[in-house]
Amino acid sequence: AQSVAQPEDQVNVAEGNPLTVKCTYSVSGNPYLFWYVQYPNRGLQFLLKYITGDNLVKGSYGFEAEFNKSQTSFHLKKPSALVSDSALYFCAVRGRSGNTPLVFGKGTRLSVIA
Amino acid sequence: GAVVSQHPSRVICKSGTSVKIECRSLDFQATTMFWYRQFPKQSLMLMATSNEGSKATYEQGVEKDKFLINHASLTLSTLTVTSAHPEDSSFYICSARDSQGGNQPQHFGDGTRLSIL
Repeated sequence: AQSVAQPEDQVNVAEGNPLTVKCTYSVSGNPYLFWYVQYPNRGLQFLLKYITGDNLVKGSYGFEAEFNKSQTSFHLKKPSALVSDSALYFCAVRGRSGNTPLVFGKGTRLSVIA
Repeated sequence: GAVVSQHPSRVICKSGTSVKIECRSLDFQATTMFWYRQFPKQSLMLMATSNEGSKATYEQGVEKDKFLINHASLTLSTLTVTSAHPEDSSFYICSARDSQGGNQPQHFGDGTRLSIL
């Protein structure tokens, strides 16, 4: 069975500082990995994905994520946080076979303080 | 980029009413769409997978007679909450993936907040 763990319910960071939102996963075989962001009363917006190739993936709004197969992690990072980055972030995984849906982590609320 | 349109964004209605939510992929075809439910401060819970031209696949614990799904075309799926009760109040989100690519991301609608009085 596939699963995603986001160990932090809340991450607080000062504006301008680097941020990291953690994600680990469990899936048989090689996964597809995704990060999404959700603003209040909105759906999810796609940020980035890892399919294959370079372990460091760059996405929207200056975010990036590093795939680490040995640690089964896919942490989301940004070198310099903005107040507007404050939102709910979801890590998701799905297997490569068939048309399977995404499995989401529980989400991490990021607060960037000015 | 790929856009998923979900309508309505908010519904407030009396107990016993049936409510239909539409999900459209605007610039791509989606053989499969997904319906999620999100409770306050919680993650998305997959309710069902909607397949164009066939019956939806429901997750364990989701009542198929309560949550009717129709996927009549490659760009439209509907979720009908039948005889809604206050416990059905929630945030419902649809999602679709482009049929052409196996590694394409799922794109999400903006959600429907359903409030049953």
